[in-house]
Amino acid sequence: DQQVKQNSPSLSVQEGRISILNCDYTNSMFDYFLWYKKYPAEGPTFLISISSIKDKNEDGRFTVFLNKSAKHLSLHIVPSQPGDSAVYFCAATNLNTGNQFYFGTGTSLTVIP
Amino acid sequence: EAGVAQSPRYKIIEKRQSVAFWCNPISGHATLYWYQQILGQGPKLLIQFQNNGVVDDSQLPKDRFSAERLKGVDSTLKIQPAKLEDSAVYLCASSPHPPTSGRNNEQFFGPGTRLTVL
Repeated sequence: DQQVKQNSPSLSVQEGRISILNCDYTNSMFDYFLWYKKYPAEGPTFLISISSIKDKNEDGRFTVFLNKSAKHLSLHIVPSQPGDSAVYFCAATNLNTGNQFYFGTGTSLTVIP
Repeated sequence: EAGVAQSPRYKIIEKRQSVAFWCNPISGHATLYWYQQILGQGPKLLIQFQNNGVVDDSQLPKDRFSAERLKGVDSTLKIQPAKLEDSAVYLCASSPHPPTSGRNNEQFFGPGTRLTVL
């Protein structure tokens, strides 16, 4: 049962434009959401997170939006840079019931110079 | 600060053989996780330790997989005997706060061990 879904396996954008990566979840008990970035042959690295009490969190070029009613979150990267080319995973958890992360299947982002 | 260390980075074995992976978490991190990531999928939790105790192993195939975290630091994950479907990247992660702490709890991942079962 896939509780976190990323329906776009890949995305290509031009350098300098906005990248929007989407994630949907089914479990209403999730209260904390994270985005991880993964380069080939490396482990995932934390990018940005958001608590369910917020609807937006911004860190430099990265902004995560959360729509609880739609059970949807998105990651915006503005402006996109070639170094952003990687696989992006969203993850969800409930901080009070064990912090098990449920990951989506990932979206491979390619930023074209 | 040193990151999560894993070894070996790559392993190729034949089915029915045994294999073991090692993980050294970030110093001071009490919680340790093992994930399995099959090609084209996201990481899936296998087992979660708090110090040297198991918090959650509900998704660990216990007929062939075992894991331990002696002394609450390093951990080993073993597969015996391996099957073709065990081919995956095995990721170890650690976090500073206990699970159920309610605190924002980023997990720090190691580089993974890529296992190929022939």
